This record gives sequence, structure tokens and C-alpha cells, in this order.
Amino acid sequence: DIQMTQSPSSLSASVGDTVIITCRASQAISDSLSWFQQKPGKAPKSLIYGAANLQSGVPSKFSGSGSGTEFTLTISRLEPEDFATYYCLQYSFYPRTFGQGTRVEIK
Amino acid sequence: EVLLVESGGGLVQPGGSLRLSCSASGFTFRDSWMDWVRQAPGKGLEWVANIKPDGTKKEYVDSVKGRFTISRDNARNSLYLQMNSLRADDTAVYFCSHSLNDWGQGTLVTVSS
Repeated sequence: DIQMTQSPSSLSASVGDTVIITCRASQAISDSLSWFQQKPGKAPKSLIYGAANLQSGVPSKFSGSGSGTEFTLTISRLEPEDFATYYCLQYSFYPRTFGQGTRVEIK
Repeated sequence: EVLLVESGGGLVQPGGSLRLSCSASGFTFRDSWMDWVRQAPGKGLEWVANIKPDGTKKEYVDSVKGRFTISRDNARNSLYLQMNSLRADDTAVYFCSHSLNDWGQGTLVTVSS
């Protein structure tokens, strides 16, 4: 199975900051990577697909990049509603596998 | 607007069975891959299974192979997950998803004696 390793596991940031979350795949997955945001008690929300493509309705403060084994999610100008847990997912191979999550907390 | 509504969760004893349903609307269900994803209490997301639009191809995570069966009824815009031989570590919120883009609110399955 493809292992997806996110870093950091958690981070503290302030409103207005820019944060970068990294996801590393145990083998190359081309650009078959999505990013999700999840708030407590809620379903995940798709942010990015194809490593860099913004889902409809998602603000441009979210951006993704990478290919192969290294991917990043950048969140610019953090706002209170951005504090959540973020997951990456590879969909190049079965079984689909998620990263362990990155919790973004308010400093 | 895409709407996915799961049902069928509940408390079941180890070794028991449960059938989850997902009612879909707002998109062309018969043309869409559908997935089940679960999340154990306080844990991360785990992909469980998916099914091709015509139902001819199904994939599963190893931990549920031989115990869970994903199926669909395109006439009813419905997705199902038949779960047999349930174990304590199957306890989770189960989410139905349209191609991992749109998600239902989830249904809680608790396996406990």
C-alpha cells in the first residue's frame, strides 16, 4: 500500500499567517493527490484535486503543488474558519490512502 | 446541489451485520464512481471501498475484504455497504462520497457487546 506521510502533525498559527503542510508518498503517484479540510463533527470538505486544482467554490487562499512523491498545501492569510484538520489523499493506486492529518490550531 | 444522506448505522454486537445506505441527489448518480470512507473516534480518515458507475468493478481496503460488500442501485440513486462479521475496530463514522469530492454527513457504526 502507498503510505502518505504528512508533516507536521500539528501546528499553531495566528490569524493572517501563511502555513504550509507537506505530504510525502512512499512511491510516485504522479499528480493523483487531493487535499481535504475537516472540522470537528463534520464531513471532510474537498479543497484541491489533481495536486493543484482548486475545487469549485474554494477560495484562492488555498493552493496546492507537487508531483511524484512530494506535495504541499499552502494556506495564505489564515482566518478563524481555517483552523481545522487537513488531510491528503492519494488516488493513484488501490487502496486509496490518506495522510494521518495535520491539525492547524490557533496560537 | 449535491446531497448525500447516509443511514443504517447503529449499535451491533461483534460478529453481527449491518447494511448502510446512501441516498444521492443533485448529480448524475449512474455516471459516478462512489466511495465509502470511515473515521474511527478521534482518528483519521480511512478509505473503505469504491464502486464503478455500472457496478462491475469494486475495490476494498484489505481490512474489510471478504466481510464488506459495496453495491449500488442506479435506478434508486442509492449506494450500499453490507457489513458482515463486524469487529470492534470497525467502529467508526461511515461517510458516503461522490468521487471523493462531495460527502454525506456520515452515519455512526458502533460494534460492541
